[in-house]
Amino acid sequence: NAGVMQNPRHLVRRRGQEARLRCSPMKGHSHVYWYRQLPEEGLKFMVYLQKENIIDESGMPKERFSAEFPKEGPSILRIQQVVRGDSAAYFCASSPSSDQPQHFGDGTRLSIL
Amino acid sequence: AQSVTQLDSQVPVFEEAPVELRCNYSSSVSVYLFWYVQYPNQGLQLLLKYLSGSTLVESINGFEAEFNKSQTSFHLRKPSVHISDTAEYFCAVKLVAGSARQLTFGSGTQLTVLP
Repeated sequence: NAGVMQNPRHLVRRRGQEARLRCSPMKGHSHVYWYRQLPEEGLKFMVYLQKENIIDESGMPKERFSAEFPKEGPSILRIQQVVRGDSAAYFCASSPSSDQPQHFGDGTRLSIL
Repeated sequence: AQSVTQLDSQVPVFEEAPVELRCNYSSSVSVYLFWYVQYPNQGLQLLLKYLSGSTLVESINGFEAEFNKSQTSFHLRKPSVHISDTAEYFCAVKLVAGSARQLTFGSGTQLTVLP
């Protein structure tokens, strides 16, 4: 069984560019969560999605950040007009239901030049 | 809102010595409790969880944690550590009920096992 797959593993962008981070959940998992890990800190929740629906986006910055989980294909976390402060590791997790433990991918490390 | 405190950011310990990583949480409602381990440049792996039942939970690699409701703690212990246990350990909570389904993490404890 493949685990949660995130790509790319590393992404470098210049200020003002767009960053697209992808997450394919484990087979059979329809619940996806995105977290951000700043250096020397724990993971902070960003958004929780089920297929085609955003369930909870209380941790998402109000501007420049968006997420989707279409009927077909991976979940996408999109950051527009990136700034230096967006540099972080972004982790995706999935679960078969909201009550089951979450399984994490290896993350995308975003660096902003 | 719930919160998790991991008081020790760094814990160095010699190989084969015992270790305890502390975790305290704050929540006005019931929570599930988790310990995750993160090796360098990897994602988090679930180490063990407390959902209900026995307050002492164990992992397959010798770690154990005990849920103490009165002290709102979920400390992680291992009686004898190995070099391969060197990693970052995160304590997390999740609401038992309600609409918020995300994990709330502590800031992590870096365990370094020395030869």
